[in-house]
Amino acid sequence: DAGVTQSPTHLIKTRGQQVTLRCSPKSGHDTVSWYQQALGQGPQFIFQYYEEEERQRGNFPDRFSGHQFPNYSSELNVNALWLGDSALYLCASSSHAVNYGYTFGSGTRLTVV
Amino acid sequence: AQSVTQLGSHVSVSEGALVLLRCNYSSSVPPYLFWYVQYPNQGLQLLLKYTSAATLVKGINGFEAEFKKSETSFHLTKPSAHMSDAAEYFCAVTRSGGYQKVTFGTGTKLQVIP
Repeated sequence: DAGVTQSPTHLIKTRGQQVTLRCSPKSGHDTVSWYQQALGQGPQFIFQYYEEEERQRGNFPDRFSGHQFPNYSSELNVNALWLGDSALYLCASSSHAVNYGYTFGSGTRLTVV
Repeated sequence: AQSVTQLGSHVSVSEGALVLLRCNYSSSVPPYLFWYVQYPNQGLQLLLKYTSAATLVKGINGFEAEFKKSETSFHLTKPSAHMSDAAEYFCAVTRSGGYQKVTFGTGTKLQVIP
């Protein structure tokens, strides 16, 4: 049973560029949440998708956007990258019907130079 | 709003000694509580969860945590530390129902000294 799959694992981008990160949830999960984890910090909630709609959003600017597809996979898009966007981006999947916590992917390490 | 506070950003224990990582929560409704572990350059792995059943929760790798409502605490313990326990540990809180985000603490880095 595959867990949460994220791609790519590492990425280097230049300031001002745009980036798209991808996530496939665990089998049986229908909800995807995205977190940003800066170095030495705890994960910070970006947003959550269920039924292809953004259901909740954390304190992140509109440069951060997302999408969920009918097969429950999800993308995180970040426009106009800043140096401060450098972080580990974690995707977590869960079941909407049973809120017993997330299953996390291994993350995408984004470096903005 | 819900939040968790982890006391001690770094904890060092000797191999074989008791591990105690502290977490206090704040929630206006009955919480669900979790402990996650993160090894370097990896995602988070669920150690254990409290979802309003038994207050003493047993998890993987010999860890356990006790939910104490009177103290608003959910401390993580392990009787005997192994070298492989060296990692960062995160306490997290959410609530029942759909569309509930999970809020994480700032983490405690555990060092195990041989």
